Amino acid sequence: GQQVMQIPQYQHVQEGEDFTTYCNSSTTLSNIQWYKQRPGGHPVFLIQLVKSGEVKKQKRLTFQFGEAKKNSSLHITATQTTDVGTYFCAGEGGSSNTGKLIFGQGTTLQVKP
Amino acid sequence: GAGVSQSPRYKVAKRGQDVALRCDPISGHVSLFWYQQALGQGPEFLTYFQNEAQLDKSGLPSDRFFAERPEGSVSTLKIQRTQQEDSAVYLCASSLWRSGGNQPQHFGDGTRLSIL
Repeated sequence: GQQVMQIPQYQHVQEGEDFTTYCNSSTTLSNIQWYKQRPGGHPVFLIQLVKSGEVKKQKRLTFQFGEAKKNSSLHITATQTTDVGTYFCAGEGGSSNTGKLIFGQGTTLQVKP
Repeated sequence: GAGVSQSPRYKVAKRGQDVALRCDPISGHVSLFWYQQALGQGPEFLTYFQNEAQLDKSGLPSDRFFAERPEGSVSTLKIQRTQQEDSAVYLCASSLWRSGGNQPQHFGDGTRLSIL
């Protein structure tokens, strides 16, 4: 079945350093979504990418969707302690029309002040 | 608040007992999803409703799991004869459009189920 892989599983950075998490799907995706889950919290939607090669920015966060629509990345510039949490990518299958999401296992970010 | 509401937040049950988990989606959201999240893992899809119709239940682990949404709003996930491997956080999410595709999903806080 369809799989979505994320690396790294954990990342510890000093406040002010940059952070990147990578997401790869075994199949072509119609779109990819990114969510953030704080410790003890629930996933919160960050962004959705639909077009091949799409790049979107939200302040210090930059999201990319690969040309083949099988991979994506999230880059955070100059991390802050408020960035702590687990970042998940989630893909919707190319032939799916239900909105069913296949989540990666997430990258947990720790930021040292 | 206007978010997705789940109850109970925590549920402890003995192995073999039946449990029922409730989800109250955002008003007007047609699509409703149930996910299971094990510790340190991403959410795994269980089932999907479009209004009252259960269109996809491919993620339900066994026939002990049953979900319903009889009036197209509140949904209940029932687990019969619980086993220790059922221990997890059960997340409910809803989204706005009929197809559910290409739309952000809004998650509830989840129910943390512990089976003793």
